[in-house]
This record gives sequence, structure tokens and C-alpha cells, in this order.
Amino acid sequence: DIQMTQSPSSLSASVGDRVTITCRASQGISNSLAWFQQTPGKAPKSLIYAASSLQSGVPSKFSGSGSGTDFTLTISSLQPEDFATYYCQQYDSYPYTFGQGTKLENK
Amino acid sequence: QVQLVESGGGVVQPGRSLRLSCAASGFTFSLYGMHWVRQAPGKGLEWVSVISYDGSNKYYGDSVKGRFTISRDNSINTLYLETNSLRLEDTAVYFCAKEDGYGNFSNWGQGTLVTVSS
Repeated sequence: DIQMTQSPSSLSASVGDRVTITCRASQGISNSLAWFQQTPGKAPKSLIYAASSLQSGVPSKFSGSGSGTDFTLTISSLQPEDFATYYCQQYDSYPYTFGQGTKLENK
Repeated sequence: QVQLVESGGGVVQPGRSLRLSCAASGFTFSLYGMHWVRQAPGKGLEWVSVISYDGSNKYYGDSVKGRFTISRDNSINTLYLETNSLRLEDTAVYFCAKEDGYGNFSNWGQGTLVTVSS
């Protein structure tokens, strides 16, 4: 199975900051990488798929990049609603696997 | 608009079974692959299973293989997950998700909680 490792596991930032979350795959997955946002008690929300394609309706302050084994999610100009947990997921091969999550907290 | 509504969760003893359902509306259900993803209390997301648009292909995560069965009834726009031989570690919120192709999990349900407890 492909292992997905996110860093950092938690991140403290302030409104207006720009943050970057990293996701590394244990083997190459081309661009088969998605990013999700989840707030407590809610379902995950799709942000990015195919490593860099923005999901419909998601603001352009979210951006993704990478290919192969190393990927990043960047959020520019943090707003209060952006403080949440973020997950990467590979869908290159079954079983699909998620990263352990990055909790973004308000400093 | 797309709506996915899970049901069937509850409290069940170890070793017993439960059938989860996901009622879909707002899109042509028979054209899309569907997934189950779960989340144990306070933990991260775990992919469980997928079924192709016509039900001909199914895949499972290692932790549920041989115990869980995914199925669908396109005539009533419903996805199922039959969970057998339940274990304490199967306790989780189970979400269904629609895949728009190429791994794009575009829509998720609100989840249904399964609690395995003696």
C-alpha cells in the first residue's frame, strides 16, 4: 500500500498569513493527489484534485502543486473559516490512502 | 443539487452485522463510482471501499477486506455497505462520497455513526 505522510501534523498561524502543507507519497503517484478540508463534526470538503486542479466553488486562495512523490497545499491570506484539518489522499492505486492530517490552528 | 444521505448506523455488539445505506439525489447516480470512507472518533480519514458506476468492479481497504461488502441499486439510487464480523476498531463515522472521475471526490454525505461495543 502507498503511505502518505503529511507535515507538519499541526500548524499555528494568524489571519492574513500564507501557509503551506506538505504531503509525501511512499512511491510515485504521478499527479493522483487530492486535498480535503474538514472542520469538527462535518464531512470533508474537496479542495483540490489531480494535484493542482481547484474543485468547483473553492476560492483561488487555495492552490496545490507537485507530482511524483512530493506535493504541497498552499493557502494564502488565511481567514477565520480556514482554520480546520487538512488531508491529502492518493488515488493512484487501490487501496486509496489518506495522510494523517494537518491541524491548522489560529495563533 | 447533489445530496448524499447516509443511514443505518447504530450501536452493535462485536461480531454482529449492520447494513449502511447512502441515498443519492440531484445527479444521475448510475453514471458515477461511489466510495465509503470512515473516521474513527478523534482520528483521521480511512478509505474503505469503492464500487464502479455499474457495480462490476469493487475494491476494499485491507482492514475490511473479507468482512465488508459494497453494493448499489441504481434503480433506487442507493449505495450500500454490508458490514459483517464487526470489531471494536470499526467504530467510526461512515461517509459515502461521489467520485466525478480521476479521484475527484466531489460530494460527501454527512456520515452515519457506527459504534461497536459490548
